Amino acid sequence: EAEVAQSPRYKITEKSQAVAFWCDPISGHATLYWYRQILGQGPELLVQFQDESVVDDSQLPKDRFSAERLKGVDSTLKIQPAELGDSAMYLCASRGTGGNYGYTFGSGTRLTVV
Amino acid sequence: AQSVAQPEDQVNVAEGNPLTVKCTYSVSGNPYLFWYVQYPNRGLQFLLKYITGDNLVKGSYGFEAEFNKSQTSFHLKKPSALVSDSALYFCAVRADNAGNMLTFGGGTRLMVKP
Repeated sequence: EAEVAQSPRYKITEKSQAVAFWCDPISGHATLYWYRQILGQGPELLVQFQDESVVDDSQLPKDRFSAERLKGVDSTLKIQPAELGDSAMYLCASRGTGGNYGYTFGSGTRLTVV
Repeated sequence: AQSVAQPEDQVNVAEGNPLTVKCTYSVSGNPYLFWYVQYPNRGLQFLLKYITGDNLVKGSYGFEAEFNKSQTSFHLKKPSALVSDSALYFCAVRADNAGNMLTFGGGTRLMVKP
C-alpha cells in the first residue's frame, strides 16, 4: 500500500534554532497538506499545495514558517527561529484527484523545542 | 466556515461492550465526513468516510458511523469493543462546495478496559 513518507520521525531542537521537515507524498498525488497537531488537540492546517502552488497558507505563521514544493512532488516545511510553542506533531497528507476523496497521512514528525 | 465538535474528551468502555464516539459538524453545503484513528506518536489512519448514499457507513476494523443530516452528526460506533481499539479518534469534515481542506475535531480518547 502506498504511503506518505515523512522525516525525521523525531526532532529535538533548541529555541531560536532552525529546523526543517520533509514530506514525500504518494506518487501522483497533486494535493499536499501540512498540518500541525499540538498535544491533546486535533490537527490544524498550516499550508495546502496544489502541485507546486500554494493554495492556502492563511494559518501559516509566515514570520517564522516557510513551506515549499518546488517540483510539485516532495515538500519541505521550515521553522526559523523555533520557539517553545512550536513543539507539536507535524503531519503531512496527500490527496489524489477524482472521486476517491481519500486523504493519506504520513507518520508525522514529533518536534520538541527546548 | 466549517467546524467539528467532539464533545467527549474521553470515552471509557469495557471490552466486548458496544462503543460510541460522538461527532457533530457545521458546514455550508453538503458535508464530506471522515473518521481517523491515531496511536501514540503515529500519524492518522483512515477508518471510514461518508460522501453520499447510505447513511450507515462501514469501515475498517469493524467500525461504522451513521450520518444524520437533521442532527448534523456522524457518530462512530462498534458493536463489540476490543482493548486494541484504545486510541485517539478524530472526526473531520469538508464541504462539497469549498476547497478540499479537512477540518478536524479536537479528538476523543477511547479507553477499552479488559
